[in-house]
Amino acid sequence: GAVVSQHPSRVICKSGTSVKIECRSLDFQATTMFWYRQFPKQSLMLMATSNEGSKATYEQGVEKDKFLINHASLTLSTLTVTSAHPEDSSFYICSAGNGGLAPNEKLFFGSGTQLSVL
Amino acid sequence: GIQVEQSPPDLILQEGANSTLRCNFSDSVNNLQWFHQNPWGQLINLFYIPSGTKQNGRLSATTVATERYSLLYISSSQTTDSGVYFCAVRATDSWGKLQFGAGTQVVVTP
Repeated sequence: GAVVSQHPSRVICKSGTSVKIECRSLDFQATTMFWYRQFPKQSLMLMATSNEGSKATYEQGVEKDKFLINHASLTLSTLTVTSAHPEDSSFYICSAGNGGLAPNEKLFFGSGTQLSVL
Repeated sequence: GIQVEQSPPDLILQEGANSTLRCNFSDSVNNLQWFHQNPWGQLINLFYIPSGTKQNGRLSATTVATERYSLLYISSSQTTDSGVYFCAVRATDSWGKLQFGAGTQVVVTP
């Protein structure tokens, strides 16, 4: 199956700093990638849809200035948590599909990034 | 938006037991996937099954799209089956987005 690589797997940072998370599709091109957030013992919540070469589409309630998304190539999307605060501590997961968003497209997920803000 | 409900929320199994997990959804879908999230957070794609029945080893899944539900069967459970099982759907009018259910936490004891 398709492989999605996400780095780093874990990051600890001080409050007020910015953190960048990378998501790469290793063996396919992804015009669209998705960023999810998961709090402990909860489900995955979609944050934004990342589109190559254009602005990301954010879900309601997600601050676009807080969570900067860049999708500069067909294999790389980045999520930057700006001026992180303890409430931003969470598990962030990216996903990408290899079917051009066709209805029958499977989505594959990165291994996630555990962000802890002190 | 589309609602996805999974049951039961928690399941404790003895090794070797069989179980059924259920996913109900509130609208028509063109994509339904079952995932297993292991204790390290990795999401593993188990099935892509918007309709019909599929089997993969000890796991099988059935989706009855007209009745808006899907079932995941685990047979002869093993401790490595422990984790959270998520059902995720894409509504037919929802471009690209997968909506996840709350998950079923499965613990398989030796």
